[in-house]
Formats: sequence, C-alpha cells, structure tokens
Amino acid sequence: GEDVEQSLFLSVREGDSSVINCTYTDSSSTYLYWYKQEPGAGLQLLTYIFSNMDMKQDQRLTVLLNKKDKHLSLRIADTQTGDSAIYFCAEIHTGKLIFGQGTTLQVKP
Amino acid sequence: EAGVAQSPRYKIIEKRQSVAFWCNPISGHATLYWYQQILGQGPKLLIQFQNNGVVDDSQLPKDRFSAERLKGVDSTLKIQPAKLEDSAVYLCASSPEGTGLGAFFGQGTRLTVV
Repeated sequence: GEDVEQSLFLSVREGDSSVINCTYTDSSSTYLYWYKQEPGAGLQLLTYIFSNMDMKQDQRLTVLLNKKDKHLSLRIADTQTGDSAIYFCAEIHTGKLIFGQGTTLQVKP
Repeated sequence: EAGVAQSPRYKIIEKRQSVAFWCNPISGHATLYWYQQILGQGPKLLIQFQNNGVVDDSQLPKDRFSAERLKGVDSTLKIQPAKLEDSAVYLCASSPEGTGLGAFFGQGTRLTVV
C-alpha cells in the first residue's frame, strides 16, 4: 500500500530531545520530508533528505534515514514550547507526495 | 517571494450546495497540488498538476469534485454538491519542476458543511 506510518503522540519536557519516527513505503523514494503544522496554519517544510544520505543536520534538527528498514526519524534537540505542533513525514510514492497521519508533539514547561 | 495564496480562508455551506476554492501558486512553480485534510488526519492528495496537465487525480471523487488549472498558473477546486463528509481543510501547494525540493503550502481553506 501507500501508507506512511507515524506514532500519533509524543510528550517531552522543555529542554529535552524529541525523536519522531516514521516508516515509509516506497524504497525508490528519492526525497523524504518533514513538515510542521501549527494550529490553524498550513504545512511548513522543515527539512528534507536525499535518499543517498544517512543523516542530515540543520541547527537543532537531525534527520536520520535507514533505507534498509524504510525508517525515517526527526530529532529535535533542546525542544522548546514553540516546537509544539503536528509533525508530518512525507515521501514521493509513484510520483505523488504522500503524507503520514502526523505526530502531535506536546512540550511541557 | 510571495507564498502560495488561497481564498477564501473559511467557508460554511449547507449540504448539497456548491463551493469553489482558489489557489495562486508561487510564481514559476510548475507543480500544483490540492490536498484534503480532515481533522486529526494527514493531508490526502486529491489532484496533482504539472503545468496545466493532470499528473494524478486517482483520489479525487470525480462525481462531485472538479479541478482545473488555467494556463498552468492559478487553480480552482470545486465541490458540487457538497456532503457533510467534505468538511475539511483544503490545502493547495506548489513546487518547482517536480517535487525534489519539497512542496510549499498555502494557509488552506476551512470548509464546514452543515
């Protein structure tokens, strides 16, 4: 099928690291993406990783890609209350940009 | 650079009425997408255009939904007639030449069908 799967909810304390996981379906996906959605807003592209990479770091964000297991993760270092949002993993499957159901990140002060 | 523009932001209609949404993508972006996002779910792709041609509309309920992209720029999505289950946020996105660098989203139109 073309389901991108994510856990639904993650709660962390401010200052801790957050790790959001995703399993995708298409082993031939060339790019994989992480998007952030705040309440009442559209989706904001956070970062992407090319399939020939294992890791990409961008300030507080680290993306890890395990192609063998088709597993993608997003690590947010020093999580802040402003990071509270829904995070979506997305892949290109048969030319279409397909999203997971989203992980709600709750950051407690 | 201006982002993806959508209008209206909100719309409330009665079931069986018609509604249309408009999207203006980022200038120069060849690919345009319409997604439906039901509360608590991820965005579901309804239709994908490459310039003014349809790349994929396999999940568009064609008995009631239609979309067009005139001259490969602006796009409209129409629902006629609307059903209660069409209540959702309709998101438009665009990307330059394929989707390699990711799609950029508008704020969305929140549709409530009563």
